[in-house]
Amino acid sequence: DVKVTQSSRYLVKRTGEKVFLECVQDMDHENMFWYRQDPGLGLRLIYFSYDVKMKEKGDIPEGYSVSREKKERFSLILESASTNQTSMYLCASSLTGVSQPQHFGDGTRLSIL
Amino acid sequence: GQNIDQPTEMTATEGAIVQINCTYQTSGFNGLFWYQQHAGEAPTFLSYNVLDGLEEKGRFSSFLSRSKGYSYLLLKELQMKDSASYLCAVKRRDSNYQLIWGAGTKLIIKP
Repeated sequence: DVKVTQSSRYLVKRTGEKVFLECVQDMDHENMFWYRQDPGLGLRLIYFSYDVKMKEKGDIPEGYSVSREKKERFSLILESASTNQTSMYLCASSLTGVSQPQHFGDGTRLSIL
Repeated sequence: GQNIDQPTEMTATEGAIVQINCTYQTSGFNGLFWYQQHAGEAPTFLSYNVLDGLEEKGRFSSFLSRSKGYSYLLLKELQMKDSASYLCAVKRRDSNYQLIWGAGTKLIIKP
């Protein structure tokens, strides 16, 4: 079974802090993704990576950056946290291929005070 | 534009059948996924359709009509554990990676 592990289930930070969310997958997947999930909205893609050190912006990259130094690890960074970044953050990974599903971690519920 | 529509919430009775609809408009189409998400948990993959027709997988079936931009997820013999949100997502032709997600349908099962 694919295992995608996010470092924290719940996190509380203050406005202006630099916040790191970590994600690790154990199935040698090429692709990794960071989403945020807000009530009434679909999953929105922040960034994705299709290889080590490679990244592409998703639909809402503003205020975020990412790092992928190793294939199994994909980090999301909030450069200067703001209250509108309070959300559920989901990490996913997948193999490359049209029919390949994404496998998700349990999510990090982040509150910015 | 690109858009996916699903009903926000549905209610059904244990043991019954329910159909959750998903309509989509995309500039290109390369397959449709259904995921299940229990409250506070990760979305889990249910099905993938790329050709027209019905795909059956146990109690769950998924249907696709590409000409109508329409899919549905059919759940039979409903169980209380089927109470969850069901997410529809379309794979874009112009991207090998990106999915466009609907907001999800919250399904409530009553005894």
